[in-house]
Amino acid sequence: DAGVIQSPRHEVTEMGQEVTLRCKPISGHNSLFWYRQTMMRGLELLIYFNNNVPIDDSGMPEDRFSAKMPNASFSTLKIQPSEPRDSAVYFCASSLVQGSTDTQYFGPGTRLTVL
Amino acid sequence: GESVGLHLPTLSVQEGDNSIINCAYSNSASDYFIWYKQESGKGPQFIIDIRSNMDKRQGQRVTVLLNKTVKHLSLQIAATQPGDSAVYFCAENGGDDYKLSFGAGTTVTVRA
Repeated sequence: DAGVIQSPRHEVTEMGQEVTLRCKPISGHNSLFWYRQTMMRGLELLIYFNNNVPIDDSGMPEDRFSAKMPNASFSTLKIQPSEPRDSAVYFCASSLVQGSTDTQYFGPGTRLTVL
Repeated sequence: GESVGLHLPTLSVQEGDNSIINCAYSNSASDYFIWYKQESGKGPQFIIDIRSNMDKRQGQRVTVLLNKTVKHLSLQIAATQPGDSAVYFCAENGGDDYKLSFGAGTTVTVRA
């Protein structure tokens, strides 16, 4: 059974470039989460989708960040323009939320380096 | 020089011994708690969870204890193995039906 799939696993880009991170959640899950992990801040929730609809984007740092979920099996997190302080590991997680919190399953992450 | 970033608690344990990892949570409204294990270069991996109507839950070689009175959560690992070396995170839901707040993590190192 495939877990959460993320691509690319590593991304190195230059400041000012657009970066797109991709995620395929676990089949049948109705909720998807994007997290960012840094040494300074630990794991931070960026945005949460339920049934493909963004429910909580209060963690998105600024307008340079945007996320979409066009269907139940795909989501993207885009940074435009990227900055060195965006360097971090970005995780996607999915869950089956049915009225109460349930286990979130994480992907392997994308390590982003912005030069 | 001065160190920056999160200061992760560390635990060094002899192979074969039992490990206890502690976590203090902050929100009395939390009714769902979960432990994750994160190995270097990988995503957090689910270990075990517990809801607030329980005090204890056991899995394979792991036990989670919940003390709501003092807002404390612990993870016990029996017969610790080298493969248990990782960072362990506790998370609470703060009463939300989806959001998890993660602790800073504890680094566990298993000595052979």
